Amino acid sequence: AQSVTQLDSHVSVSEGTPVLLRCNYSSSYSPSLFWYVQHPNKGLQLLLKYTSAATLVKGINGFEAEFKKSETSFHLTKPSAHMSDAAEYFCVVFSFQKLVFGTGTRLLVSP
Amino acid sequence: NAGVTQTPKFQVLKTGQSMTLQCAQDMNHEYMSWYRQDPGMGLRLIHYSVGAGITDQGEVPNGYNVSRSTTEDFPLRLLSAAPSQTSVYFCASKSRESSYNSPLHFGNGTRLTVT
Repeated sequence: AQSVTQLDSHVSVSEGTPVLLRCNYSSSYSPSLFWYVQHPNKGLQLLLKYTSAATLVKGINGFEAEFKKSETSFHLTKPSAHMSDAAEYFCVVFSFQKLVFGTGTRLLVSP
Repeated sequence: NAGVTQTPKFQVLKTGQSMTLQCAQDMNHEYMSWYRQDPGMGLRLIHYSVGAGITDQGEVPNGYNVSRSTTEDFPLRLLSAAPSQTSVYFCASKSRESSYNSPLHFGNGTRLTVT
């Protein structure tokens, strides 16, 4: 079965500094991977998705992620954090008609 | 479009009571699903449906029933509520076209407390 591991439960950054949220996956074949964001008291929103077209995927709000097969990673990055980026982020893999969610990383952004 | 609508937003139940969480979508999506979200555990799939009349179990189906009589609606029933079912529940839907990479659309969640 495919799975994802989010390596940090919390990440703290200052506004204007880079963001790195780490995700590793396990898969026996080429996976479909996603990043979702959840703002407080809201449902989840798709940030970006990887489906084997390009290894560098650009998403909404300036986020991007790079698929690295050799490292089985799909880390999420943003060059400059904004206060509005404070939220919980989920790495997700598609497996057998089901989406399997990581445990989430809470991003804290300080002024 | 309203997207995915969940009702109620909040609910408090006593142990042993039953209730139904409602989910409706107006995007003509074939695929609908229910997740529960618990701290430190991400989202776990309860039940899902790939079309009207078709349902299947997810990762944590015990204590929950679903049915799918129409494309639009996918209610989740708690038969006899237990404190372990205290959680935030999300309904999500997506189109089956290119189903492996089409994104899920989420409702805003139902926060359930069982005392």
